[in-house]
Amino acid sequence: GAVVSQHPSRVICKSGTSVKIECRSLDFQATTMFWYRQFPKQSLMLMATSNEGSKATYEQGVEKDKFLINHASLTLSTLTVTSAHPEDSSFYICSAEGGGFGSPLHFGNGTRLTVT
Amino acid sequence: EDKVVQSPLSLVVHEGDTVTLNCSYEVTNFRSLLWYKQEKKAPTFLFMLTSSGIEKKSGRLSSILDKKELFSILNITATQTGDSAIYLCAVPRSNFGNEKLTFGTGTRLTIIP
Repeated sequence: GAVVSQHPSRVICKSGTSVKIECRSLDFQATTMFWYRQFPKQSLMLMATSNEGSKATYEQGVEKDKFLINHASLTLSTLTVTSAHPEDSSFYICSAEGGGFGSPLHFGNGTRLTVT
Repeated sequence: EDKVVQSPLSLVVHEGDTVTLNCSYEVTNFRSLLWYKQEKKAPTFLFMLTSSGIEKKSGRLSSILDKKELFSILNITATQTGDSAIYLCAVPRSNFGNEKLTFGTGTRLTIIP
């Protein structure tokens, strides 16, 4: 089945630094990938839709200058958390459609970001 | 605004019990409803439901959709400790494929040995 790889699985960084998270579709091409954020004991919240070759679309309330998304190829999308602050600490998950129209999303394993 | 509500939020049962998890939704242009299981990491896909009244089954798990009453249930029979997880219900917002899922709050299921 479709596999989505996310890296790193865990990262700790200092306040003010930037962190890049990669999301790759391993055995299929994904023109669209999605980035979610999950706080402890809460559900997944869609942050943005990453479109290959064009600008990402962000959900209301998500700062596009803080969460930079680049989808430069059909198999790779990156999320960069810029000038990270402790409140950015969260679990970030990417997902992509795989297997054609109407197939369910497949998720990466997520990245646990801790900002100290 | 699309809305997905799951109940209960939390459930603790003994191994061997049967559980029923609920998901109700309000969404324009309904296309499908999806169930995911989330353990320590990312959600894994369980079921996608598009038609009312047709049960989908996978081992001890089954799910059914009622498009008239706008809800779905996920049943787990003869529960095992490995079933402990958060179960998420989601509906797509977009008119195309299954993009932009709106997730429910999830049900945290704990199975006691």
